Order: sequence, then C-alpha cells, then structure tokens
Amino acid sequence: NAGVTQTPKFRVLKTGQSMTLLCAQDMNHEYMYWYRQDPGMGLRLIHYSVGEGTTAKGEVPDGYNVSRLKKQNFLLGLESAAPSQTSVYFCASSHLGQGTKNTEAFFGQGTRLTVV
Amino acid sequence: DQQVKQNSPSLSVQEGRISILNCDYTNSMFDYFLWYKKYPAEGPTFLISISSIKDKNEDGRFTVFLNKSAKHLSLHIVPSQPGDSAVYFCAARRYTGNQFYFGTGTSLTVIP
Repeated sequence: NAGVTQTPKFRVLKTGQSMTLLCAQDMNHEYMYWYRQDPGMGLRLIHYSVGEGTTAKGEVPDGYNVSRLKKQNFLLGLESAAPSQTSVYFCASSHLGQGTKNTEAFFGQGTRLTVV
Repeated sequence: DQQVKQNSPSLSVQEGRISILNCDYTNSMFDYFLWYKKYPAEGPTFLISISSIKDKNEDGRFTVFLNKSAKHLSLHIVPSQPGDSAVYFCAARRYTGNQFYFGTGTSLTVIP
C-alpha cells in the first residue's frame, strides 16, 4: 500500500525555469493538498482540491498553479521559479472525516526544491 | 495571519519523564485538532486527534487535552522515550473545504 507518493524527491531549478511536481494517492481520497514547509513557518497550504476537476487557493497560492484531472493525482506547477520558492513541498490527501474516524490527512515524503 | 500557533520551537525532556507540547488557535470554526510527528527527510505522520466537542483523548502514551474556552490544546507524552525525538506539529481542521492548518512545530528531544 503506497499511500501518497511524490515525484521527484529532489530538484534544483534555475530562476525562471518551470517544473511540475506530481502527487499520487491510492486511498481513493476525495481531498488533496499541497503544502510548503519553511524554517520557522511550519506547513502552509498552497492549494487544495475537494474532488476530481476542482482546485482552490490556500494560504500562499501566488506563483503556483495546480490541476486535478484524475482523482488519484494532484499536480503542482511552478511556471517561473523564484528563489523564494526554495522549500520542501508536501502533498497530502484525506477523506472528509466524520465523527471520530478518518479525520486525518496522509502525507507524502516530500520534495526538496532549490531555486538558484 | 497564523491561525494555529506553537510558541515553543524546542523542548528537551529526560527519558521517562512527561513531555508537554502546547498549541493555541484563533479560529472558532475548527472542528478537529490533530497532532503530527515528523522525522527529518520524512513526511508528517498522524499521531492523535480530538474533536472540538471533547476535552480529552488518550491513545497509549499520548493524550491530547483541549480547552475550548482558552482556544488551547496540549499533547502529553508519558513516559517519554528517545524514539519520540522529532518535530511535532499541531493542526486544526476547518470542516468547510476540509482544510488543515498547521502550527510552526516544536522540536522535541528526549535525552536518554
């Protein structure tokens, strides 16, 4: 059971280059999320999706785009990378939990992105 | 503006003693609160959660307490073990959109 898988795990980009981070989940979760983790800032929500074909902005969406063409995949795109986007990116997925069950989000291993 | 706050960046505790990690939140619309544990170079893993209608939830060595009037929750680890050394994130869920908001984390070191 793979859970949440992120590709790639590491990447170095030059300023202005573009790239796409791929997230795949095999738990049939409706909800998917992209977070970035920066020192002293914790995990901040970039974009999220409440189902196939939907996307919504989180706390820090500027400079990123996302797509959810299939339920199991959530893509995060950087059209023109900037040094401020150097970070560790985490994808997560969840059900809409009710009661005491299934309220948590499951995370991938992370992608360490450096923009030089 | 940070809706979930962890004001202690780090905590050191002797093995066998109690570890208490604290978290404050500002949004009354949160319906669930969660704690995650994170080791270096890994993704956060879920530890324990509590509904906003409860004041305590226990799972083995881990207990989460919620004081809704103070908008404060805490995680107690008893007894603490060296393997508990990690970064702990407090998180809160907003039901609308099923969004999770995270604190800045507390790095726990359990000294053998």
